[in-house]
Amino acid sequence: QVHLVQSGGEVKKPGASVKVSCKASGYSFTNYDINWVRQATGQGLEWMGWMNPNSGNTGYAQKFRGRVTITRNTSISTAYMELSNLTSEDTAVYFCARGSNVTPNPWLPRPPKYYYMDVWGKGTTVTVSS
Amino acid sequence: DIQMTQSPSSLSASVGDRVTITCRASQDINNYVNWYQQRPGKAPNVLIFAASSVQSGVPSRFSGSGSGTDFTLTISSLQPEDIGTYYCQQTYNTPPITFGQGTRLEIK
Repeated sequence: QVHLVQSGGEVKKPGASVKVSCKASGYSFTNYDINWVRQATGQGLEWMGWMNPNSGNTGYAQKFRGRVTITRNTSISTAYMELSNLTSEDTAVYFCARGSNVTPNPWLPRPPKYYYMDVWGKGTTVTVSS
Repeated sequence: DIQMTQSPSSLSASVGDRVTITCRASQDINNYVNWYQQRPGKAPNVLIFAASSVQSGVPSRFSGSGSGTDFTLTISSLQPEDIGTYYCQQTYNTPPITFGQGTRLEIK
């Protein structure tokens, strides 16, 4: 079975950094992107960034650029999201999610490819408090 | 960035009702829309991708439609286990990937 297992909850002080891990199992880690999405209490989903574990290439939401770093260790099929200079606004549940590309209509001359998040970790609660 | 606006923000319906949630994109995104269900205290789960393709394992009462800027998620006959929050997501022009603000669904 395909799983993403995240590290445990963290409590950090303002100004500190946090690093959350996401260990993949049941599939080839380097064949699928890993996305990071966060959710503050009672709020919606906010995409932070993604990484191609094969190449190491990353893309980040403008809001987090300069503060977030997504990395990976392919030998242990694990992705990491590090967020620095934490404030109380960063208190949230952080999810990792596998990004999959599908081609529903492969018979077309230029078949479109669609991207969605098909496997999610259970989430890691990060609390920022002085 | 492409904005996704869902309506309603919350709704209450009875078991067996037909439920419709809409999502409007701030620009034409073809059919690059996905829908997720998030049960209370759980991670999201994909229901629909490419606007109308049902993810494997998702009950047939869930369907999606739309293209361009307007999209719809329909539950043909609401079940008690369908309570939660539903999100649309665009993957047309990324980064960033953007979500709608969510629609909270309750049972009357």
